[in-house]
Amino acid sequence: QSALTQPASVSGSLGQSITISCAGTSSDVGSYALVSWYQQYPDEAPKVLIFDDIKRPSGVSHRFSGSKAGNTASLTIFGLQAEDEAEYYCCSYAGTDTWVFGGGTKVTVL
Amino acid sequence: QVQLVQSGAEVKKPGASVNVSCKTTGFPFTPYNFAWLRQAPGQGLEWLGWISGYVGYTSYAQKFQGRITVTIDPSTTTAYMELRGLRSDDTAVYYCAREACSTVSCHAFDSWGQGTPVTVSS
Repeated sequence: QSALTQPASVSGSLGQSITISCAGTSSDVGSYALVSWYQQYPDEAPKVLIFDDIKRPSGVSHRFSGSKAGNTASLTIFGLQAEDEAEYYCCSYAGTDTWVFGGGTKVTVL
Repeated sequence: QVQLVQSGAEVKKPGASVNVSCKTTGFPFTPYNFAWLRQAPGQGLEWLGWISGYVGYTSYAQKFQGRITVTIDPSTTTAYMELRGLRSDDTAVYYCAREACSTVSCHAFDSWGQGTPVTVSS
């Protein structure tokens, strides 16, 4: 169960759009439509933004969008706002009732 | 409202065991799975395992097999995690989380406890 690969950091200006990638394998990301994305502020518990690759829970801003191509999932944040500055984690089902996370991406709003 | 409230911070010596509890309220317990995750200082999230709230079926990350036990007490709607043989690199904040599942699969960790800091130090 190797961790999924995310860029350590991504930055963008206010109002811009940014995309965070999450690279897995054919055993996890590529095999199941079960990638989720989480936002975490310092000293807080994570919050789910996207599940099932592309679905948004009620109450999550439409500025957050999930996608996937092959073994790589992506989270796009449209219209970057100051409150989007946080750590973002992807997670994928990895088979046999197990889950694997990415290493996290720190988003900085310039 | 949905709440998962974890037990307080722990300080343990290497080789000891730690037990963390996760009291749930605001939703029916048995239809859900409950996962345990951790986050070492300055590091990312790591999935440890989960348990079914209905039948108590468990699944653990291979890395923790033999060292971790996750249990539930449906009568008190509480989940528990025991980690044995603690090492310094087990120092982390441990989280419980509710898994949102359908009849086919589970989809996300949709509610989280506040986290329990566990420090392993001699």
